[in-house]
This record gives sequence, structure tokens and C-alpha cells, in this order.
Amino acid sequence: DTGVSQNPRHKITKRGQNVTFRCDPISEHNRLYWYRQTLGQGPEFLTYFQNEAQLEKSRLLSDRFSAERPKGSFSTLEIQRTEQGDSAMYLCASSLGPFVPDTQYFGPGTRLTVL
Amino acid sequence: AQTVTQSQPEMSVQEAETVTLSCTYDTSESDYYLFWYKQPPSRQMILVIRQEAYKQQNATENRFSVNFQKAAKSFSLKISDSQLGDAAMYFCAYRLSNDMRFGAGTRLTVKP
Repeated sequence: DTGVSQNPRHKITKRGQNVTFRCDPISEHNRLYWYRQTLGQGPEFLTYFQNEAQLEKSRLLSDRFSAERPKGSFSTLEIQRTEQGDSAMYLCASSLGPFVPDTQYFGPGTRLTVL
Repeated sequence: AQTVTQSQPEMSVQEAETVTLSCTYDTSESDYYLFWYKQPPSRQMILVIRQEAYKQQNATENRFSVNFQKAAKSFSLKISDSQLGDAAMYFCAYRLSNDMRFGAGTRLTVKP
């Protein structure tokens, strides 16, 4: 299967720890997106990459959050000094681009629980 | 700011019947894109149907169709001949550029 993959699928951490998630997009897709989804809500946009360039960041992406996409392939999302409010599902999506509304294909998500 | 509202937190439908899920949105733009995504329990989100705002014709994908009312800023999803596999959370989404805004979702239950 060559869909979007995310690792790990589940992460439990203690408050104050750092966590890193990985997303592998569909191979030929040059756009990559990160979303956060809390229980009972729809996904909220966090950030977006066009190849290796991070072109857009939501106000939701505080200074404790950083995302990278080296060489325009996989992406990582790091959360430093985690807080209980960071508990959520973190979704990654990719699309072919470059013209909207190119369809976004979602990964299975990483569920983060901060104790 | 663009917002998406799904006023039905839960809906249920009998197998083989038809159900309509509602969605309204707020925008001052004239050219944008609307989507319905399906998220089955513990499974990833998949695209159900897409509508370009500049197109007057309502999009259709097999048993799924939309009623797009641009002036009313309404974008409802109709599922015909409902199947057990249609049970899922359904999210309506609006996209202007790269930032996609989702509604809170409607949980659809299909009764056998």
C-alpha cells in the first residue's frame, strides 16, 4: 500500500516531555499538511509544506511546535514540553499539487496522550 | 474568517434508505472549494465528494450527491441506498487556498 503513513500510531507521554511524530506522504506528492483533531471536533489545520518549504503556519502552532520536511520527502512534527492540552490526534495529509483543489489524502493519524 | 457549521451532531438512517447531512459555511469569497470527508471508526479519513464553487452543477459520485446552494452558502450531502459501510463521521470542509477548514462532523449510524 502506498498511502500516507504515520508513526507511531499511539504515543503516551508525561507532561513536559518532548515527542516527535513522523509522516511519510504518497511518494510523488509534493504537498504535505499537518492537522490536529480533538475528540468530537473536525481536524484543524496546523501547517503546510510545498516540497521542503514550510509555506503556511496556523496560529495554533505555538512556539513549542516545530515541523520539518527535509529534502521534501517525509516530515516530522515535534512538540516540546508537552502539556495536557496537546492530547489529540495528529493527522498528516499529502497532495500532488500544485493547483488547488488537489485532493488531500490523509494518513491514519498519531494519537497523543499527555498524562 | 471562514467557518463551517454542521448542525446535526448525529444522524441515523435505515439500510437502503436515503439520508441528507447538512453543512453551511461562511465566506466572503466567490471562488473556493467544498468537500465531504468520511472518517470510519478507527480508520483514516477519505474523500467522499468535492465541489468547485464556480460550477453550478452539483457533484455526484455513485450513491453520493451534493446540493450546493451558493447564495445560501449551503452544501448538503445526500447518501442514497445507504449501506452498513456508510456508518462513519462525516466532515464538511471548505478550502480557499491551502488552509482547509472542517466542520465538527456528523456521526451517521446505519440501522440494518
